[in-house]
Amino acid sequence: AQSVAQPEDQVNVAEGNPLTVKCTYSVSGNPYLFWYVQYPNRGLQFLLKYITGDNLVKGSYGFEAEFNKSQTSFHLKKPSALVSDSALYFCAVRDADNTDKLIFGTGTRLQVFP
Amino acid sequence: ETGVTQTPRHLVMGMTNKKSLKCEQHLGHNAMYWYKQSAKKPLELMFVYSLEERVENNSVPSRFSPECPNSSHLFLHLHTLQPEDSALYLCASSQEIDSSGYEQYFGPGTRLTVT
Repeated sequence: AQSVAQPEDQVNVAEGNPLTVKCTYSVSGNPYLFWYVQYPNRGLQFLLKYITGDNLVKGSYGFEAEFNKSQTSFHLKKPSALVSDSALYFCAVRDADNTDKLIFGTGTRLQVFP
Repeated sequence: ETGVTQTPRHLVMGMTNKKSLKCEQHLGHNAMYWYKQSAKKPLELMFVYSLEERVENNSVPSRFSPECPNSSHLFLHLHTLQPEDSALYLCASSQEIDSSGYEQYFGPGTRLTVT
């Protein structure tokens, strides 16, 4: 069965510092990996995805994520955090070979302090 | 916001009421989804529709009844709900549902409170 884990409920970072939000996954086939962001009282907004190709994926608002097959990870990163990046971040995975279902993690709240 | 709209944004209903949530997507997508988002729980997939045909019913109680009259509209009919059904209900759409890399686009959600 496919699954995704976000080990941190909350990540705190100072504005201007780099940020990392962690995600690990488990699928039996090849993974399709996604990051979404949710601002207060809003729906989820697509940030970026890994399907195939270059392991480093660049997305919206300066975010990027690196696919690491050996560590089954897809951590979200940004070189310099902004206060406006404060939100809830969700990692999601789909098993490319087995199912059309997208499985979401429990979310990580990112708090960027001025 | 994305090209997916949901109405109403907030809904308070009693356990004996009947109400409906509406979702509309303006993206030309073929697949639509209902999710339930509760505090401190992973997003729960409820229903999946592809080209107006239901392809997934994720063990959802019968007090939730979906309807997809066309590929742009999706409804969730609610009746005799329980307080534990209070949550944010999110609608999403994607280009296709097959095993592909298409991302889903979400609406802003309906915050449902059952009293």
